[in-house]
Amino acid sequence: DGGITQSPKYLFRKEGQNVTLSCEQNLNHDAMYWYRQDPGQGLRLIYYSQIVNDFQKGDIAEGYSVSREKKESFPLTVTSAQKNPTAFYLCASSIGGVYTFGSGTRLTVV
Amino acid sequence: DAKTTQPTSMDCAEGRAANLPCNHSTISGNEYVYWYRQIHSQGPQYIIHGLKNNETNEMASLIITEDRKSSTLILPHATLRDTAVYYCIVRALAYGNKLVFGAGTILRVKS
Repeated sequence: DGGITQSPKYLFRKEGQNVTLSCEQNLNHDAMYWYRQDPGQGLRLIYYSQIVNDFQKGDIAEGYSVSREKKESFPLTVTSAQKNPTAFYLCASSIGGVYTFGSGTRLTVV
Repeated sequence: DAKTTQPTSMDCAEGRAANLPCNHSTISGNEYVYWYRQIHSQGPQYIIHGLKNNETNEMASLIITEDRKSSTLILPHATLRDTAVYYCIVRALAYGNKLVFGAGTILRVKS
């Protein structure tokens, strides 16, 4: 079945460390997105990419970086510059305005 | 993209229809109305979308008023598994546009 795979499901990071969250899709969608969700809050856009080798900052890009070297993959790196990284991270892809989301990665800083 | 207003929470009895309202009084002519839902600790799931005509699929029906300033998502026979946060989003179908999520409506289906 086509879909979006995010890994790992749970991730623990020590303060000061960079960590990369994986997002892979086999839907052949051009556009991909990363959202962050804090407890009891809505989703906030971190980065998005409309096409391979191109991406744009969303509303809360500081402390994050992305790459889009392949259509299928859109990894997100949470850097040590992100002051409050503990959150639920969601990856999505879209075509024609309809988004498909992954099951998320829950990142905890310890 | 136009802003939407939804009630914070709603309750519905199992087996009854759940009617979730959404106001989008500043919607533009080229903006669609999208509905997504998010079950606890999962990614959002697409439900339905429409421009000006009423729409129905296997999950729900979408009723858009004639002036397009409001809409209602209808789950015809709510089950406990429909308990979730429901997001109403208006968005133009154009290259580069993104989904912007508000707080949504928490729907609690009770037995």
